[in-house]
Amino acid sequence: EVQLVESGGGLVQSGGSLRLSCEASGFRFSSFPMDWVRQAPGKGLEWISYVNSDSKTIYYADSVKGRFTISRDNAKNSLYLQMNSLRAEDSAVYYCARDGLVAGNFDFWGQGTLVTVSS
Amino acid sequence: SYVVTQPPSVSVAPGLTARITCGGDNIGRIGVHWYQQKPGQAPVLVVYGDSARPSGIPERFSGSKSGNTATLTITSVDAGDEADYYCHMWDGMSEHHVLGGGTKLTVL
Repeated sequence: EVQLVESGGGLVQSGGSLRLSCEASGFRFSSFPMDWVRQAPGKGLEWISYVNSDSKTIYYADSVKGRFTISRDNAKNSLYLQMNSLRAEDSAVYYCARDGLVAGNFDFWGQGTLVTVSS
Repeated sequence: SYVVTQPPSVSVAPGLTARITCGGDNIGRIGVHWYQQKPGQAPVLVVYGDSARPSGIPERFSGSKSGNTATLTITSVDAGDEADYYCHMWDGMSEHHVLGGGTKLTVL
């Protein structure tokens, strides 16, 4: 059974930093691209970052580029998101999602971790 | 950046058919995926690659495309289908995943 478990969320002051983790199990993690998607309270889903299976290709949404860094450790079956210079508008539930190999969809999602940035 | 448009809300009576649309330029040329998200839960993939269904998703859920519009169709709607639905695609020009703003489905 595919499982994705996020951790690392919490309350942080504006301008601060936070590192999110996503531990994967139930599939060959090293074979799949992964993504982070967030959802502000009462709002829609927003894709924020992608990393391919060997970390050689990385993309970011304009809203986080230069502040957030995605990474992965295939030996630990883990995905990370380093978030710096946090702003109030970064407050959201952050989901990690597996990127489907064939169609580029998000075929499995974690339950999310809440990040709250106080201004 | 690529923009996709979904209606904010759709309402349908139980037993009838709900249709949720997703519009965008050149959408006919790229694969469209759909997610269902119930309150307090993570999204779930219900249709991928325009019209394919993941294992475990009922046949009542189907996807289609015509011109610049993709449509998620849910037949024989019941209260359990009340949720937010999002379309999603990959924009090769910007190298970004793009998600629609979401449509709240209400079962009357």
